[in-house]
Amino acid sequence: DAGVIQSPRHEVTEMGQEVTLRCKPISGHNSLFWYRQTMMRGLELLIYFNNNVPIDDSGMPEDRFSAKMPNASFSTLKIQPSEPRDSAVYFCASSGGPGANVLTFGAGSRLTVL
Amino acid sequence: GESVGLHLPTLSVQEGDNSIINCAYSNSASDYFIWYKQESGKGPQFIIDIRSNMDKRQGQRVTVLLNKTVKHLSLQIAATQPGDSAVYFCAENPGNRDDKIIFGKGTRLHILP
Repeated sequence: DAGVIQSPRHEVTEMGQEVTLRCKPISGHNSLFWYRQTMMRGLELLIYFNNNVPIDDSGMPEDRFSAKMPNASFSTLKIQPSEPRDSAVYFCASSGGPGANVLTFGAGSRLTVL
Repeated sequence: GESVGLHLPTLSVQEGDNSIINCAYSNSASDYFIWYKQESGKGPQFIIDIRSNMDKRQGQRVTVLLNKTVKHLSLQIAATQPGDSAVYFCAENPGNRDDKIIFGKGTRLHILP
């Protein structure tokens, strides 16, 4: 298994532009998590899905952020419009679902908003 | 494992010595705890976990201790090696059938030659 796959690995964009981050979870995992990592705030949970359904989005910073999981093998995190304070590393992780809590993380997407 | 602002707590350990990394948690309802290791440029990687009905669990060169009375978790690494250099995070599941995993701020482990 190739693990959790995220793209792009690096993105540099200008303030106001739309950013879309993508994630392919491990096949057979039915829970997917999006985290954001910064020096100041550490690893913050943004949103997680069980069986493609968003369960808890209380960590999503504001309406500029949205996440979707149209099927079991794909999820997106979108920021529109992006701001410099959104600069961070965004991680996607998946797990085997309820009761199987070990998360496997992707390599992350480093976002820089100028 | 708590941090303030930009600064991660750092633990410097001589190669070959044992390392102990500590973590405090605040939610007494949390029933599952995990330690993750994050190397530079990579995502966090699972090391070992423990459920709240246990107070000790051992893996290969690692031991996790859980003290629910004082809400404290520790990770012990035996015979620390250069490859153990990383940031270590404790994480918890808040229980109540909630699947989310909440991470602490991390501790940087630095291995001295």
